Amino acid sequence: AQKITQTQPGMFVQEKEAVTLDCTYDTSDPSYGLFWYKQPSSGEMIFLIYQGSYDQQNATEGRYSLNFQKARKSANLVISASQLGDSAMYFCAMREIGGTSYGKLTFGQGTILTVHP
Amino acid sequence: GAGVSQTPSNKVTEKGKYVELRCDPISGHTALYWYRQSLGQGPEFLIYFQGTGAADDSGLPNDRFFAVRPEGSVSTLKIQRTERGDSAMYLCASSLGERTEAFFGQGTRLTVV
Repeated sequence: AQKITQTQPGMFVQEKEAVTLDCTYDTSDPSYGLFWYKQPSSGEMIFLIYQGSYDQQNATEGRYSLNFQKARKSANLVISASQLGDSAMYFCAMREIGGTSYGKLTFGQGTILTVHP
Repeated sequence: GAGVSQTPSNKVTEKGKYVELRCDPISGHTALYWYRQSLGQGPEFLIYFQGTGAADDSGLPNDRFFAVRPEGSVSTLKIQRTERGDSAMYLCASSLGERTEAFFGQGTRLTVV
């Protein structure tokens, strides 16, 4: 079964607008962490933001915020004021902390974001 | 450098040959991970180390794949009898511990011809 689902293969946004990238997850572990990574065409995976399952508030990092809805098992990434440099592949990932392999990150299929000028 | 370093950045090898991919993690990071990424897909977990030992190698696809981290720092992913299906980007990441974010290297693009 898919543990991380990203249903949007591609998204387009106008420069300076906000965009939401969807991510749903599946776990029976009560303790887990959710991550978003950006992968530009150069190939490097760049860490953006982290949300712990017990965190009371939604995580924010500059223009990035995570819309965490625990009951719906969703962890959408919101990018505000999009820039041309935001064009990249974006991956949602989960780490199940309570399991036997709690270091392992499981990734979704990714969403390609294109920012138009 | 300050980041995770992977060498070589590109490797082309013939089917049936043996290859080694190297990962030099961020200094002080005890956890090290290997992932494989096919074009247009998300990274797939292969193995991770906590210190010198493999804490989880459940993602290694078969016994042609092996990884070591003898001194708890640099790691080498070894692939024997390469097949065309092994062609992919191999990503390495490291983290301070298993509960913190992982930082990735630039990857090694492996092409088996």
